[in-house]
Amino acid sequence: EDQVTQSPEALRLQEGESSSLNCSYTVSGLRGLFWYRQDPGKGPEFLFTLYSAGEEKEKERLKATLTKKESFLHITAPKPEDSATYLCAVPLSSGYNKLIFGAGTRLAVHP
Amino acid sequence: GAVVSQHPSWVICKSGTSVKIECRSLDFQATTMFWYRQFPKQSLMLMATSNEGSKATYEQGVEKDKFLINHASLTLSTLTVTSAHPEDSSFYICSAIANEQFFGPGTRLTVL
Repeated sequence: EDQVTQSPEALRLQEGESSSLNCSYTVSGLRGLFWYRQDPGKGPEFLFTLYSAGEEKEKERLKATLTKKESFLHITAPKPEDSATYLCAVPLSSGYNKLIFGAGTRLAVHP
Repeated sequence: GAVVSQHPSWVICKSGTSVKIECRSLDFQATTMFWYRQFPKQSLMLMATSNEGSKATYEQGVEKDKFLINHASLTLSTLTVTSAHPEDSSFYICSAIANEQFFGPGTRLTVL
């Protein structure tokens, strides 16, 4: 059964305190892993797609990495504006573009 | 990135009435769009796949007669919640694919 698990459920950081979010997945034949940012009351905003183990992508203070079983979203020197829920998703084994999402990590960065 | 819009952004209706939500791809054409539902503090759950010019396909447990989907053009898909009840109150989000899957801003439905 396809499954995506994110940890921690919630994370509180001080401004400048780097950390990592985890996304572990179980799916037959990974066809990409997606990271999104979601602000309260809004739709998810696309961040990254990773396709193969060892791949890394960066955007400002965020860096996403991928292994055969999990992905990490590293946040370096976060700022309060990085506060959001971070979601990861993978395509279902049954359909390339159908995504299954993890429950998300709610990140709060305090000044 | 590509832009997906939704209308309305929020709607309040009485129990038993029907509500239509529009999803538009603004700067690209989308033969396929997706509809998701998100309950408070939960993640997105795929409801159905909307296919231009053909019938939508629904995920297990989603009532196709209750959630009517029409994908009439390459830039517009609509979701109609028929005979809405309080348990249908949720955040409905659509998405479309332009290289990556881009999401609309969501529609907050409250059924009284």
